[in-house]
Amino acid sequence: AQSVTQPDIHITVSEGASLELRCNYSYGATPYLFWYVQSPGQGLQLLLKYFSGDTLVQGIKGFEAEFKRSQSSFNLRKPSVHWSDAAEYFCAVGGNNNDMRFGAGTRLTVKP
Amino acid sequence: EAGVAQSPRYKIIEKRQSVAFWCNPISGHATLYWYQQILGQGPKLLIQFQNNGVVDDSQLPKDRFSAERLKGVDSTLKIQPAKLEDSAVYLCASSLDRGGQNTQYFGPGTRLTVL
Repeated sequence: AQSVTQPDIHITVSEGASLELRCNYSYGATPYLFWYVQSPGQGLQLLLKYFSGDTLVQGIKGFEAEFKRSQSSFNLRKPSVHWSDAAEYFCAVGGNNNDMRFGAGTRLTVKP
Repeated sequence: EAGVAQSPRYKIIEKRQSVAFWCNPISGHATLYWYQQILGQGPKLLIQFQNNGVVDDSQLPKDRFSAERLKGVDSTLKIQPAKLEDSAVYLCASSLDRGGQNTQYFGPGTRLTVL
């Protein structure tokens, strides 16, 4: 069965600093991988997704993620964080039937 | 394009009462999902519909939870009777079709508090 681990429950970065959120997955075949963001009281918004092809995926709001099959990882990165990026970030893995499994999330705090 | 609509946004009930949530997916989306998100956790898939048929309800507690999607559009999720541990946000999502490459779009959720 597929599963996702987000090792960091909470991360604090200064505004303007770079960001990397970690995600490790377990899946028997080639996975579909996703990063979603959730602001307080809001639903989840898709940042980016990986299905195949180029392992470096560009998303919205300046985010990117890199799929590393050998490490079973799909880490999310942003070169310069803005205060509005403060939110909860979820990594998810899915299969051909779109049966996504989410990680527990990483809460991002941005210091001024 | 309108997004996924859910109502109510908030609901407070006492344990052993019943509650129902409503979801209207994006127009034309064949696949509809209900997720449960307990505080501090990621969303957990409860049930997946393809048009008006259930394709995955393996994680739905069927002794108290039920869901339907009559006519393949709107959906309702019901809990009867509710327990304290059902306190969570219930998220509805929809996608154009079932394949893994289809993006799931989420509604704002219904926050349920069971006292």
